[in-house]
Amino acid sequence: EPEVTQTPSHQVTQMGQEVILRCVPISNHLYFYWYRQILGQKVEFLVSFYNNEISEKSEIFDDQFSVERPDGSNFTLKIRSTKLEDSAMYFCASSPTGEVWEQYFGPGTRLTVT
Amino acid sequence: AQTVTQSQPEMSVQEAETVTLSCTYDTSESDYYLFWYKQPPSRQMILVIRQEAYKQQNATENRFSVNFQKAAKSFSLKISDSQLGDAAMYFCAYSQRSGNQFYFGTGTSLTVIP
Repeated sequence: EPEVTQTPSHQVTQMGQEVILRCVPISNHLYFYWYRQILGQKVEFLVSFYNNEISEKSEIFDDQFSVERPDGSNFTLKIRSTKLEDSAMYFCASSPTGEVWEQYFGPGTRLTVT
Repeated sequence: AQTVTQSQPEMSVQEAETVTLSCTYDTSESDYYLFWYKQPPSRQMILVIRQEAYKQQNATENRFSVNFQKAAKSFSLKISDSQLGDAAMYFCAYSQRSGNQFYFGTGTSLTVIP
């Protein structure tokens, strides 16, 4: 069964560095999402992406964040200058229809900012 | 604002027994969806069960069933005949009917004791 994959599974970076988290959505899906979960807290929506543009974003998704679908298969989340509080698990999801219950999640990337 | 609360960070159950995970939510909407997601260790979050708010009948999927109390804004998950493979983090989530993002709880870690 097709799955959303994410790489790396764990990324350690120093404060102030740029980091790119990568996701490969399921191949025929058109809608893409990023969520994050700070340890012990709720999973929070960051952004949704459709037709090569952001369709919705949360307050968390400020100018430090950007998303891109560079080559038709990958979906990336870039954090330009990481802060300690960016340490979290980041989940990618994709959907064929945009219906919320048809979001398929990846296993997550744990980002640790030191 | 929509909020989802899971008050049990950890639960345990004997194999073959029944366990109930609690979830409450807050919303001013009348039409919405509620979900339970399961995340095994280092694996994807997968949809366990979905409830549409306008349906009075509680959703059931094999050994998984919900107790949806709309007036009380309560949405608990019952797992019957627990199996070792049920061990996972369980997230309760809410979505507006017209929305494409989730509002998640903090999760309940379920341990199944052989």
